[in-house]
Amino acid sequence: QQQVKQSPQSLIVQKGGISIINCAYENTAFDYFPWYQQFPGKGPALLIAIRPDVSEKKEGRFTISFNKSAKQFSLHIMDSQPGDSATYFCAATRSGAGSYQLTFGKGTKLSVIP
Amino acid sequence: ETGVTQTPRHLVMGMTNKKSLKCEQHLGHNAMYWYKQSAKKPLELMFVYNFKEQTENNSVPSRFSPECPNSSHLFLHLHTLQPEDSALYLCASSQGLNQPQHFGDGTRLSIL
Repeated sequence: QQQVKQSPQSLIVQKGGISIINCAYENTAFDYFPWYQQFPGKGPALLIAIRPDVSEKKEGRFTISFNKSAKQFSLHIMDSQPGDSATYFCAATRSGAGSYQLTFGKGTKLSVIP
Repeated sequence: ETGVTQTPRHLVMGMTNKKSLKCEQHLGHNAMYWYKQSAKKPLELMFVYNFKEQTENNSVPSRFSPECPNSSHLFLHLHTLQPEDSALYLCASSQGLNQPQHFGDGTRLSIL
């Protein structure tokens, strides 16, 4: 199965808190895992991505944690801000030559309240 | 300003109309994609073009017809659509097929 399961569907976090979004995949051939951020009226924008040769990648307040054995990866947003309120999509693909089809999760709508 | 521009941003059409969606990328990329985004569903890949050649048609109904005249432009021609085709249609581009994809802001399509 090619699907990527994402949870939760929606998330409300207090300003300054940690937002955590989880994804699980089934295809062990997947080797590239990007996260996209989408604001209302805008297209998805690449936020951060990870490959399975590392267990964690951090960019500013955004961190991806990767558990290859469990086939799970998660996005952590530290010190969440109201400007982070958006829908977040995880995705996965096999990045070999000719491989390009991103399999997306259903998305998580994050609301950060002051 | 996004490097991928989609027009129109909104489109309302009847089931018997013919219309086209346009996508233009200013990033010098070689691959372009059409996606369908419906509420509470994952993004669905529809078509992929690489160097103007179609490399993927994800079992899309023939009422959707893509056209890629060059690596910078991508069209989606629409004909005799159904109400369930109402969705946000997103265009994306990437340097190569296995490179990160950059999305436009989409065309919100409503079928009456």
